[in-house]
Amino acid sequence: GAGVSQSPSNKVTEKGKDVELRCDPISGHTALYWYRQSLGQGLEFLIYFQGNSAPDKSGLPSDRFSAERTGGSVSTLTIQRTQQEDSAVYLCASSPTRGGYGYTFGSGTRLTVV
Amino acid sequence: AQRVTQPEKLLSVFKGAPVELKCNYSYSGSPELFWYVQYSRQRLQLLLRHISRESIKGFTADLNKGETSFHLKKPFAQEEDSAMYYCALSGQGFSFIFGKGTRLLVKP
Repeated sequence: GAGVSQSPSNKVTEKGKDVELRCDPISGHTALYWYRQSLGQGLEFLIYFQGNSAPDKSGLPSDRFSAERTGGSVSTLTIQRTQQEDSAVYLCASSPTRGGYGYTFGSGTRLTVV
Repeated sequence: AQRVTQPEKLLSVFKGAPVELKCNYSYSGSPELFWYVQYSRQRLQLLLRHISRESIKGFTADLNKGETSFHLKKPFAQEEDSAMYYCALSGQGFSFIFGKGTRLLVKP
């Protein structure tokens, strides 16, 4: 596609429910990243994919968070048993290769846990 | 440890005044430094990279390895520059390390 696409754009869920957030990167971009943007916390790295593998999962805040990528393309971030502190904007970015050049962000999914 | 520090949460200036958004980093090797900008209701986008040594929308940033800084500057601020600015570092790891951001408010 022309840009990084994320869905849904907004998600309101009840505490304790599971949610899935989707990222569709730019076609041909092998690297894909998930970040969390919270008020006052800036951008927090969650996980990085190179192709379908995730060499760096160091940012996932707990075992309730998981992510996968299939076909070297679409990625899904899953949050199980959501908590109120999970409320944030979840951003996806992709790039042609590892590192800084051509790093493009999606518009994000705003998650609100009530 | 890799770290990016933006000491100011909010910077407020009048239109036409000079602007300097501060960024300091901690990294043991040779990092790549970037500035990203997020305008209201828009996605994060790349503003400039230190490697390209370019000026975008009148903004420049010079990498000072001695002071480990990459401050963003513009001589005359415009109202449309009001946005959230993030400094980022790309190093040995796979990800970018972002600062917490500085909100620039340019008043008329």
